[in-house]
Amino acid sequence: GAVVSQHPSRVICKSGTSVKIECRSLDFQATTMFWYRQFPKQSLMLMATSNEGSKATYEQGVEKDKFLINHASLTLSTLTVTSAHPEDSSFYICSASGSLTDTQYFGPGTRLTVL
Amino acid sequence: KQEVTQIPAALSVPEGENLVLNCSFTDSAIYNLQWFRQDPGKGLTSLLLIQSSQREQTSGRLNASLDKSSGRSTLYIAASQPGDSATYLCAVPSSGGYQKVTFGIGTKLQVIP
Repeated sequence: GAVVSQHPSRVICKSGTSVKIECRSLDFQATTMFWYRQFPKQSLMLMATSNEGSKATYEQGVEKDKFLINHASLTLSTLTVTSAHPEDSSFYICSASGSLTDTQYFGPGTRLTVL
Repeated sequence: KQEVTQIPAALSVPEGENLVLNCSFTDSAIYNLQWFRQDPGKGLTSLLLIQSSQREQTSGRLNASLDKSSGRSTLYIAASQPGDSATYLCAVPSSGGYQKVTFGIGTKLQVIP
C-alpha cells in the first residue's frame, strides 16, 4: 500500500515552454501533497505544500507564479513549470500524506531538462 | 529550524564489509524518520521508516536505529554488496504546523567487488 506515482519520469523541453508534472496517490487519499526539488549534488528541498481544494503554501524563495500547483482531488496534484528556463532543470519529487501529521510517501521523481 | 547532518559524506568499502551510516538532527520533536536510497539519476526508494515510538527497524540486511533524545539515527548495512552502491538519504519531519520533511545531503556509498 501507500504508492505514489509521478508522470512523466523524464521530460525534455525547450526554453519558454510550460511543463506539467502529475503526482498521484494510487491507493490512499492524500489530503496533503508536497513538492520537492533536487539540484545536482544537493539535497532535496521543499518547494511547496498543497492541501486538497486549497491554495498551495510556497517556501521562501519559490516563485508561486512560476511553479503552479493544483491539488484538485484527493489523489492528484500537478506541478506546472511555466516558461521554463535552463536553470529550472532539476529533479522534482512529490510526496503524499493522508494528513498533515501522517507519514509522507514519495513518488519516483521527474527529471526535467530545459534546453 | 530542523537541520539534518549525515556523516560520512562518502564511503568506499570492499564487498562483504559491515558498515554504519550516521544521521543527526537538531529538532527531536519528530513523528518518524525515514531512510531512503537514491541511485544516480533515479528517484527515491524507501528503505526503512522508524516511528518515534520505536528504537529500531530491520529489513533484510538493513537495520536502522533511532535515538530521539540525542537526535541521532544510524543505518547499519550488513555484508555489503556492490548492488548496495548508491546515495543514502536520511529524512526527518519537523513539528510546527505541518510535516515539513528535511533531508540530509546523503552519504554516497561505493561497495567495491
